[in-house]
Amino acid sequence: SQTIHQWPATLVQPVGSPLSLECTVEGTSNPNLYWYRQAAGRGLQLLFYSVGIGQISSEVPQNLSASRPQDRQFILSSKKLLLSDSGFYLCAWSVTFSSPHTIYFGEGSWLTVV
Amino acid sequence: TQLLEQSPQFLSIQEGENLTVYCNSSSVFSSLQWYRQEPGEGPVLLVTVVTGGEVKKLKRLTFQFGDARKDSSLHITAAQPGDTGLYLCAGGEVKAGSARQLTFGSGTQLTVLP
Repeated sequence: SQTIHQWPATLVQPVGSPLSLECTVEGTSNPNLYWYRQAAGRGLQLLFYSVGIGQISSEVPQNLSASRPQDRQFILSSKKLLLSDSGFYLCAWSVTFSSPHTIYFGEGSWLTVV
Repeated sequence: TQLLEQSPQFLSIQEGENLTVYCNSSSVFSSLQWYRQEPGEGPVLLVTVVTGGEVKKLKRLTFQFGDARKDSSLHITAAQPGDTGLYLCAGGEVKAGSARQLTFGSGTQLTVLP
């Protein structure tokens, strides 16, 4: 069966410091990978998605970047964090060209920028 | 851009009551997913509906996809405190093969009081 893990689960970082959130998927090949951000108790905002190694699409202009160095690894980064980057970040995956389009989520990472 | 509106945003009911959550759009979706999310965790898939008019039941939960595939509802019978959580609907885009596959609603926060 497929599993997805992201870490760290909780992170407190000062303004201006770098960020690296990691996500890995097991049990599947060539998945679509996603990074979402969620405001407290609300819906999900798609930040980045990737259809393959080195292929990243950004949905919103922001202080963050994403990379996919390996087929099942997705990394969310920032060189200098802003207070507004605080939030709950979710990594997710889906089967390429799947129908219906179902996305499976990781456990989430709480980021607090202080 | 396809949008999904969920209502109500917040719902607090007593144990044993029935409730319905709605997910509406002016756009047609190829599929509709419902997720439940608990605090500090990633959303968990409850059901996927793909055919207009389709009804699926999951124990005390009944999901319906509108005939025109523009809306969906989630009905819970005899709610229990364990049903408490954030319910998210997500619509799959009609365009096939797109990695940007799901549009999420803003969520309904359900609290079931014992």
